[in-house]
Amino acid sequence: GAVVSQHPSRVICKSGTSVKIECRSLDFQATTMFWYRQFPKQSLMLMATSNEGSKATYEQGVEKDKFLINHASLTLSTLTVTSAHPEDSSFYICSARTGEGNTIYFGEGSWLTVV
Amino acid sequence: GESVGLHLPTLSVQEGDNSIINCAYSNSASDYFIWYKQESGKGPQFIIDIRSNMDKRQGQRVTVLLNKTVKHLSLQIAATQPGDSAVYFCAENRGYSTLTFGKGTMLLVSP
Repeated sequence: GAVVSQHPSRVICKSGTSVKIECRSLDFQATTMFWYRQFPKQSLMLMATSNEGSKATYEQGVEKDKFLINHASLTLSTLTVTSAHPEDSSFYICSARTGEGNTIYFGEGSWLTVV
Repeated sequence: GESVGLHLPTLSVQEGDNSIINCAYSNSASDYFIWYKQESGKGPQFIIDIRSNMDKRQGQRVTVLLNKTVKHLSLQIAATQPGDSAVYFCAENRGYSTLTFGKGTMLLVSP
């Protein structure tokens, strides 16, 4: 099946610094990628929808200047958490939609800890 | 039995039993539904999907039932195994819009 890869799987950064998470579709081209945030024992919360070559569409309440999303190619989208704070610590998950069948596959997620 | 935890409802079953996980969706215009399995610390894993022109679809050990009249979706897992223990999410989609996830159900399988 289709594979979506995220990197890094775990990252620890200092408060005030920025951290970048990559999401790659390994065996298909993804015109649309999605970024989610998940707190323990809760469901996935959509942060933004990323379309290749255009600006991301952010969900209400998500700060676009804090969570920078770049979808530079059909196989890569990045999420940069700028000026990270401890409350940004969370599990971040990306997904990518295949061109055929509208199936959406998820990456393995990235644990961010801000200290 | 089924119980409601702090955030996630939990379904506890014995190994070998059949499990049924339920989901109520919100948008009557949704035309595509997916069940995902999420193990602790990992991303969601696609299990099975169904389109609105169907009311039942079977996979390997799993069956999804869709009742559009009452906007209800269920996932049946036959002969549940300890490896099936995870959180299960239903998701709904309309056209090429974004997925909307349900709250999830934690499945605990005892040996």
